Amino acid sequence: GAVVSQHPSWVICKSGTSVKIECRSLDFQATTMFWYRQFPKQSLMLMATSNEGSKATYEQGVEKDKFLINHASLTLSTLTVTSAHPEDSSFYICSARVSGQVGGYTFGSGTRLTVV
Amino acid sequence: QKEVEQNSGPLSVPEGAIASLNCTYSDRGSQSFFWYRQYSGKSPELIMSIYSNGDKEDGRFTAQLNKASQYVSLLIRDSQPSDSATYLCAVNPNSGAGSYQLTFGKGTKLSVIP
Repeated sequence: GAVVSQHPSWVICKSGTSVKIECRSLDFQATTMFWYRQFPKQSLMLMATSNEGSKATYEQGVEKDKFLINHASLTLSTLTVTSAHPEDSSFYICSARVSGQVGGYTFGSGTRLTVV
Repeated sequence: QKEVEQNSGPLSVPEGAIASLNCTYSDRGSQSFFWYRQYSGKSPELIMSIYSNGDKEDGRFTAQLNKASQYVSLLIRDSQPSDSATYLCAVNPNSGAGSYQLTFGKGTKLSVIP
């Protein structure tokens, strides 16, 4: 099946710095990428939806200037957490919709971000 | 606001028993329904997808959908300790062109006791 490669799998950064998370579709073109955040013992919360070549659509309450999403190509979408703070520590997961695949969605392996 | 509700558990069942996981959703127009399994610290993996009323079986897993009651369930037969995980119910409200966003429930934590 279709694979989304997500990197890094974990990252520790200092408060105030920025962190970039990459998701690459390895054998298909990801027209749409979904970015989720998951706090401990909570469900996946959709942060934003990005479409190749256009601006991302952010969910209510998600700061677009803090969580920068770039989807410049059909195989790469990135999420940059700018000026990270401890409360941004979470598990970030990307997901792409795959036409014709059972279930229709494939998830990246996730990135554990810890801001100290 | 579209909502997906699950009992958070934990649900404990003995090895070999049937585990029953339930989910209700608020958007009556929802068309696609998914069950994902998530191990701690990992991303979700698809267990079952179901699109029409009735039962769908795949190995030890059976998904049941009742759109009139806005209810979807997952049965796991012959539960194994390796089935211990959090099970997420996800709903997509659209079947055609447009938004393909998934709305997730909070998940039910399942523990299979050896």
